[in-house]
Amino acid sequence: DARVTQTPRDKVTEMGQEVTMRCQPILGHNTVFWYRQTMMQGLELLAYFRNRAPLDDSGMPKDRFSAEMPDATLATLKIQPSEPRDSAVYFCASGLGTGKQETQYFGPGTRLLVL
Amino acid sequence: SQKIEQNSEALNIQEGKTATLTCNYTNYSPAYLQWYRQDPGRGPVFLLLIRENEKEKRKERLKVTFDTTLKQSLFHITASQPADSATYLCALDFSGGSYIPTFGRGTSLIVHP
Repeated sequence: DARVTQTPRDKVTEMGQEVTMRCQPILGHNTVFWYRQTMMQGLELLAYFRNRAPLDDSGMPKDRFSAEMPDATLATLKIQPSEPRDSAVYFCASGLGTGKQETQYFGPGTRLLVL
Repeated sequence: SQKIEQNSEALNIQEGKTATLTCNYTNYSPAYLQWYRQDPGRGPVFLLLIRENEKEKRKERLKVTFDTTLKQSLFHITASQPADSATYLCALDFSGGSYIPTFGRGTSLIVHP
């Protein structure tokens, strides 16, 4: 049963620390998305990649967030330095990128708490 | 600006009844609309997709309608069960060509035994 995996599942850190979240997309999927979910804002798109190339990261605070895909099996989202307002659940999703529709398969999320 | 509206109040219904959830949108004509289910502590799970030229889609006990004139989609669960209790999110393509969906905030459904 193919699924998206994310690590860590939970992370508690102190303000100013670096946080790295990892995602393994479903094998064969060529599109990867990073979302942030909070009660106030709902599900917000931070960035997405197609064939490992970043296509849009306009939803991401550039000064502290960075997203990369070192290879087809790994996507990373880094926050440096972290702030309390970054506390949220971060989801990675992957898709087939068929062009006419983008059904997304979500991972279980990383719950981040910045103290 | 483009907007997706889902009822923020939870929908409470009795087991066996039909649950109907609403997704309204403004200022765009999406190419498609999707519905996802999200359980507490988990990521959203895709349920159904309906395209702009389709009026209705069914899958087992689920039915989705898409009225591009009213700018509204209705999501129905017939013969609802307590296991259907979850938050349901609609997502629309607002991206003007790249087909990346934008998600609504979701509506919580609670089915009472």
